[in-house]
Amino acid sequence: GQNIDQPTEMTATEGAIVQINCTYQTSGFNGLFWYQQHAGEAPTFLSYNVLDGLEEKGRFSSFLSRSKGYSYLLLKELQMKDSASYLCAVHSGGYQKVTFGTGTKLQVIP
Amino acid sequence: DADVTQTPRNRITKTGKRIMLECSQTKGHDRMYWYRQDPGLGLRLIYYSFDVKDINKGEISDGYSVSRQAQAKFSLSLESAIPNQTALYFCATSDGERRNTEAFFGQGTRLTVV
Repeated sequence: GQNIDQPTEMTATEGAIVQINCTYQTSGFNGLFWYQQHAGEAPTFLSYNVLDGLEEKGRFSSFLSRSKGYSYLLLKELQMKDSASYLCAVHSGGYQKVTFGTGTKLQVIP
Repeated sequence: DADVTQTPRNRITKTGKRIMLECSQTKGHDRMYWYRQDPGLGLRLIYYSFDVKDINKGEISDGYSVSRQAQAKFSLSLESAIPNQTALYFCATSDGERRNTEAFFGQGTRLTVV
């Protein structure tokens, strides 16, 4: 089976930096996704990490450590529109199964 | 127009009724999925299909069935709806040709069973 853990809620200030952590236990690990989901809307793709290290994409960066079963999403220069849930999802197995964590609800305050 | 379209967007139905949720896509993807989302439980996979002749159960398939009518269409049925099937349902697609492929989600169907 798979076990994916991420904090339920976080609050951060506009303009600041926030790090959202995700830990996982799985077999046949292929990679890890991060998705953003605004309330009542569809999830949208942010990043996919396969190799260890940090990948930067504008204000968002994602880090992966395969040996530690750990990832984080780093959001810089926070904006009010970044208030959303951030879903960590593990991609594993020969059939490329994707399992989602329960998501972290981020509230950005002025 | 959305690449992944779900109908209806909202539905209220009575316990015991049969209901079908439909999903169509214009992305040309071979893989399609149905998820449900509940507060505190995240997205959970109900069924997935890697091509028209391939249907697989996900982690919570009991009480649901699916039909892949064509590569572009994947419908989810609740044979006899019950209140704990009240949830937000998402259809998604992905490209099986690409190993690192992300999923593209429809806008969701909010289903309430009373």
